[in-house]
Amino acid sequence: KAGVTQTPRYLIKTRGQQVTLSCSPISGHRSVSWYQQTPGQGLQFLFEYFSETQRNKGNFPGRFSGRQFSNSRSEMNVSTLELGDSALYLCASSVDRSYGYTFGSGTRLTVV
Amino acid sequence: AQSVTQLGSHVSVSEGALVLLRCNYSSSVPPYLFWYVQYPNQGLQLLLKYTTGATLVKGINGFEAEFKKSETSFHLTKPSAHMSDAAEYFCAVTRGGNTDKLIFGTGTRLQVFP
Repeated sequence: KAGVTQTPRYLIKTRGQQVTLSCSPISGHRSVSWYQQTPGQGLQFLFEYFSETQRNKGNFPGRFSGRQFSNSRSEMNVSTLELGDSALYLCASSVDRSYGYTFGSGTRLTVV
Repeated sequence: AQSVTQLGSHVSVSEGALVLLRCNYSSSVPPYLFWYVQYPNQGLQLLLKYTTGATLVKGINGFEAEFKKSETSFHLTKPSAHMSDAAEYFCAVTRGGNTDKLIFGTGTRLQVFP
């Protein structure tokens, strides 16, 4: 069974640009969550989508947004990139929280 | 509000020695608790989880953890460390409700010496 697929694996962007990251969950998983991982702040929750609706949101500025499609695939977008947005962005899918979350390998974003 | 505290950002053990990684949580309702492992340049892999039922849970790669409500702890152990266990380990908590989220500890980096 295929795992959670995140694309691209690596990305380099310039300050002020915008970026879109993609996540394909495990088949049958309708919940998709996004996390930002940095050395200074650790793992921080961005948002969660379930059946195309944002169900929960973390404390990030409005430059960070996401969406989920009818096939459960999700995208997150960051506009007006700042140097501090450089991080590993992780996507996780779940069928139910009691089963845990399966994470993808992440997208490493570097803003220069 | 929920929170997770992992004591010790770095733990070093010799190969064959006991591994003990500490995790304490704060939650006003019965929690769901997880341990994840992260290898360099990888995502997070679920080691084990506690939701309900038996408080001693066994996971992959010989790891286990015990949920102790009275101590609000969920420490991760492995009787005998292997070189391949060297990685970063994260404890996480959620309440399990439909609008809740996974809260992570700051992680513990495990080094295994030959």
